[in-house]
Amino acid sequence: NAGVMQNPRHLVRRRGQEARLRCSPMKGHSHVYWYRQLPEEGLKFMVYLQKENIIDESGMPKERFSAEFPKEGPSILRIQQVVRGDSAAYFCASSRGATGANVLTFGAGSRLTVL
Amino acid sequence: GENVEQHPSTLSVQEGDSAVIKCTYSDSASNYFPWYKQELGKGPQLIIDIRSNVGEKKDQRIAVTLNKTAKHFSLHITETQPEDSAVYFCAAYNAKTSYDKVIFGPGTSLSVIP
Repeated sequence: NAGVMQNPRHLVRRRGQEARLRCSPMKGHSHVYWYRQLPEEGLKFMVYLQKENIIDESGMPKERFSAEFPKEGPSILRIQQVVRGDSAAYFCASSRGATGANVLTFGAGSRLTVL
Repeated sequence: GENVEQHPSTLSVQEGDSAVIKCTYSDSASNYFPWYKQELGKGPQLIIDIRSNVGEKKDQRIAVTLNKTAKHFSLHITETQPEDSAVYFCAAYNAKTSYDKVIFGPGTSLSVIP
């Protein structure tokens, strides 16, 4: 049973480039959540998606950040024109149903470094 | 919305001693309280959870207690071992609604000194 798979595990980008982070949920899970963790800080909610739908993006910065979860394929968190402040660990979690019914299972994270 | 506070932010204990981490929440509608453990370089892993209809839950060396009236819950680790060293996060949300954003506490970095 593969867990939540995130890739890449480590990503280095220069300022102004784009970063794409991918998340494949656990088998049987159709709900995906993205969290950001700055160094020495906690987990900050960014966005919650179901297949082809964004349910809650209240934690997502208004500019440069976007997320999708297409009908086929992994969920993608996209950061355009990265800046040094985007350097963080980005964690994806999945659940079988909506949060109300199921616990979150986290991936190992993608660590973005912006030079 | 929900706000979760967690104390202490760092905790050092001698191997074999107990460790206690406390969390408070603000939303009385929250009814599900999981605890996650994050080891260095890894993602958070669920270690124990408690629902609002229960006051205490144990699983070997770890236990969680809940005081709904005071809106606080605690994680207790007994007979600590070096492998317990990690960052621990509490969370609180309403598991009875179709969807509720999971809000985590800021985390507690636990160091167990051999």
